[in-house]
Amino acid sequence: GAVVSQHPSWVICKSGTSVKIECRSLDFQATTMFWYRQFPKQSLMLMATSNEGSKATYEQGVEKDKFLINHASLTLSTLTVTSAHPEDSSFYICSARPRGRSSYNEQFFGPGTRLTVL
Amino acid sequence: ILNVEQSPQSLHVQEGDSTNFTCSFPSSNFYALHWYRWETAKSPEALFVMTLNGDEKKKGRISATLNTKEGYSYLYIKGSQPEDSATYLCSGNQFYFGTGTSLTVIP
Repeated sequence: GAVVSQHPSWVICKSGTSVKIECRSLDFQATTMFWYRQFPKQSLMLMATSNEGSKATYEQGVEKDKFLINHASLTLSTLTVTSAHPEDSSFYICSARPRGRSSYNEQFFGPGTRLTVL
Repeated sequence: ILNVEQSPQSLHVQEGDSTNFTCSFPSSNFYALHWYRWETAKSPEALFVMTLNGDEKKKGRISATLNTKEGYSYLYIKGSQPEDSATYLCSGNQFYFGTGTSLTVIP
């Protein structure tokens, strides 16, 4: 149980295009999902917290107009990187917290998406 | 923001050896520490969550301890096996991750 999928697992796009990444909880409902970014040899950095049915909360320094997050259902959150540029090339990974779990419980992570912007 | 550090960055051990690595964090404003195991191309898998000073958790050959007063946690693997090869991540207060320790167990 507690499986999270991400799609696509990798994507290459041209500079200026937009890319959408999906995060799905496959066997549980997630009221909260989290989006992280990891640059090479760095740690996972929380970008935003996505709550079903409401606006995402972005961490300081993360541009909300560039990284659009939609959490339209209890099993799906999407991250759209708009007008991507080479500096947006990174590893993006989501996690989900099952409905009803306390905040100390672990997050269930997806396998991540490697984005390369040419 | 919690500055979490892990050491060593990477580690190679022989099959059967026991090993341990460290996660350190500022003790002020701390409330929870998580350990994850992350194999290449897979999802990070939760191992332990610890909140209290002196907490010890165990799962098979893997165990962890927590010292909140001095701000560190140890992860121990007893009798390492090749399938233990992975990156081990810790996070403080859920969202602040270290860079991980990459473990390679040589058969």
